[in-house]
Amino acid sequence: SQQGEEDPQALSIQEGENATMNCSYKTSINNLQWYRQNSGRGLVHLILIRSNEREKHSGRLRVTLDTSKKSSSLLITASRAADTASYFCATDANNQGGKLIFGQGTELSVKP
Amino acid sequence: EPEVTQTPSHQVTQMGQEVILRCVPISNHLYFYWYRQILGQKVEFLVSFYNNEISEKSEIFDDQFSVERPDGSNFTLKIRSTKLEDSAMYFCASSDWRGSNEQFFGPGTRLTVL
Repeated sequence: SQQGEEDPQALSIQEGENATMNCSYKTSINNLQWYRQNSGRGLVHLILIRSNEREKHSGRLRVTLDTSKKSSSLLITASRAADTASYFCATDANNQGGKLIFGQGTELSVKP
Repeated sequence: EPEVTQTPSHQVTQMGQEVILRCVPISNHLYFYWYRQILGQKVEFLVSFYNNEISEKSEIFDDQFSVERPDGSNFTLKIRSTKLEDSAMYFCASSDWRGSNEQFFGPGTRLTVL
């Protein structure tokens, strides 16, 4: 089953605008993580939110988690052209060295 | 800042050949992982490794795959007889799990099977 499905699949915005990406998942989790991937490159960890947390901030990033709806959102404020990348959510059911299950990702394009 | 490294960055091989992908995890980390990403698709878990043994593996990780930590620093993924469908980006990751499972990923090895 698909665990971690992002929407939209693609998002195109102008520099300075905010970008919101959503992620839904199916099973119970211990934490949810957001990663960024520039084209053809590795995955960069952005932020982790635990199942008992509802909101977390890191710089221009704001992540929310609603475990009752099994969904999370990633907000990037005041976007920059350098934010252009694919963004993935990944769920961790175990939290003891367990596997991450990734979604399909949202491809964000920020136009200067 | 410590980082996960992977070699080679790109490997081209003929179908049926064996390949070994190498990773050097972050030195004080205890958990090691391999993931793969077929072009245009999502990242898929292959295997996790802890305390010198496999702790979990996916359906993808069949008998053609094996992992090894031959010394204190390297972590390898071997594919014994490559197939065309093994062409993908392979990512190594590690975590130290101190209250979270934040996984740090390497830059990946792009494997092309001809």
